[in-house]
Amino acid sequence: QQPVQSPQAVILREGEDAVINCSSSKALYSVHWYRQKHGEAPVFLMILLKGGEQKGHEKISASFNEKKQQSSLYLTASQLSYSGTYFCGTDGGTSYGKLTFGQGTILTVHP
Amino acid sequence: GAGVSQSPRYKVAKRGQDVALRCDPISGHVSLFWYQQALGQGPEFLTYFQNEAQLDKSGLPSDRFFAERPEGSVSTLKIQRTQQEDSAVYLCASSLGQSNTEAFFGQGTRLTVV
Repeated sequence: QQPVQSPQAVILREGEDAVINCSSSKALYSVHWYRQKHGEAPVFLMILLKGGEQKGHEKISASFNEKKQQSSLYLTASQLSYSGTYFCGTDGGTSYGKLTFGQGTILTVHP
Repeated sequence: GAGVSQSPRYKVAKRGQDVALRCDPISGHVSLFWYQQALGQGPEFLTYFQNEAQLDKSGLPSDRFFAERPEGSVSTLKIQRTQQEDSAVYLCASSLGQSNTEAFFGQGTRLTVV
């Protein structure tokens, strides 16, 4: 099943913070976060692994609650370049990283 | 090249026509994925290759869809007898081969079936 992201859309002014949530009905082994700008390739942001390990960008943080099967992406002091659609992709336990993506959260940052 | 390259970027096909979409992954990447992305939606898994072996094709929507990676590098996704519902962006991604490593996506091929 597809993970559910919330909110569907967020509008911010530069410098404001945002949280994007990703919730799954299945047990998760890892959660991958990507950002996609219109007409461009999805760009990797962060991987959260079972057990708490994180890999990703310095200016973006995230959490992974294995028990609740949820992840949250924290964007602080937003910049214009943060605008785009954010997707979480969940791996239900394949050894090769097959991802099931959420429907996306559209983030718009205004000056 | 430095990233995943896909061609063509745009393809318009008449209904019933066959199409072939190409993906050049990052050199040395063992894993290659194809995803389909409908407008306003997240990517949906189609198929997975480990080197030249197609180990998961559970996401292919019908037997009109066929993918290959004969030498473990370049991959081709072929769609036979295209239908309007095949219109979407087809994304290719490659990775080093473990589930806890990032996948690098190409810009995709936008297929429009008229």
